[in-house]
Amino acid sequence: AQSVTQLDSQVPVFEEAPVELRCNYSSSVSVYLFWYVQYPNQGLQLLLKYLSGSTLVKGINGFEAEFNKSQTSFHLRKPSVHISDTAEYFCAVRRQGAQKLVFGQGTRLTINP
Amino acid sequence: EPEVTQTPSHQVTQMGQEVILRCVPISNHLYFYWYRQILGQKVEFLVSFYNNEISEKSEIFDDQFSVERPDGSNFTLKIRSTKLEDSAMYFCASSEEEKLFFGSGTQLSVL
Repeated sequence: AQSVTQLDSQVPVFEEAPVELRCNYSSSVSVYLFWYVQYPNQGLQLLLKYLSGSTLVKGINGFEAEFNKSQTSFHLRKPSVHISDTAEYFCAVRRQGAQKLVFGQGTRLTINP
Repeated sequence: EPEVTQTPSHQVTQMGQEVILRCVPISNHLYFYWYRQILGQKVEFLVSFYNNEISEKSEIFDDQFSVERPDGSNFTLKIRSTKLEDSAMYFCASSEEEKLFFGSGTQLSVL
């Protein structure tokens, strides 16, 4: 079975500061990795995904994430955040060949002016 | 951008009642899903649906739950006899390949 741990439930950051949201996963088989964002009163939107190839993946809104197999991590980063990045961020994994996504508990990112 | 539509946005029901949550997936997608999030907990997978049948389901998805694609556009989740612990936000999703598109959810409150 797969599991995902997001180490921070809340991350407050000042506007234009860099941010890293941490995600670690556990799986005995190969997985695909994803980050989703949920803005208030909206559904989950895909930010980026890692399927194979380069371990640094770039997504929408200036976010990127790095897959580290030895540390089983997939941390999300942005060099300079904006007020509009305030949202809940979810890391998720999917076993190759399976349909279901396994989510972490989410990290609430709050941007302060 | 195309989107997944869920109705209603809020549903209140009495324990023991049947409830149907409705979703309109993106039209050319082939895989459909239901997830739920109990307040303060993780988003959990319930079921995936492909080619008019369930392709995968979780332990949560017991005999009280069923899914249906009654016509070419709707995808429904039925809970036969709701329990207090079914109170949650229910998300529908559809996908092409690896990218899932989620609806904005139906908040189900069981009283």
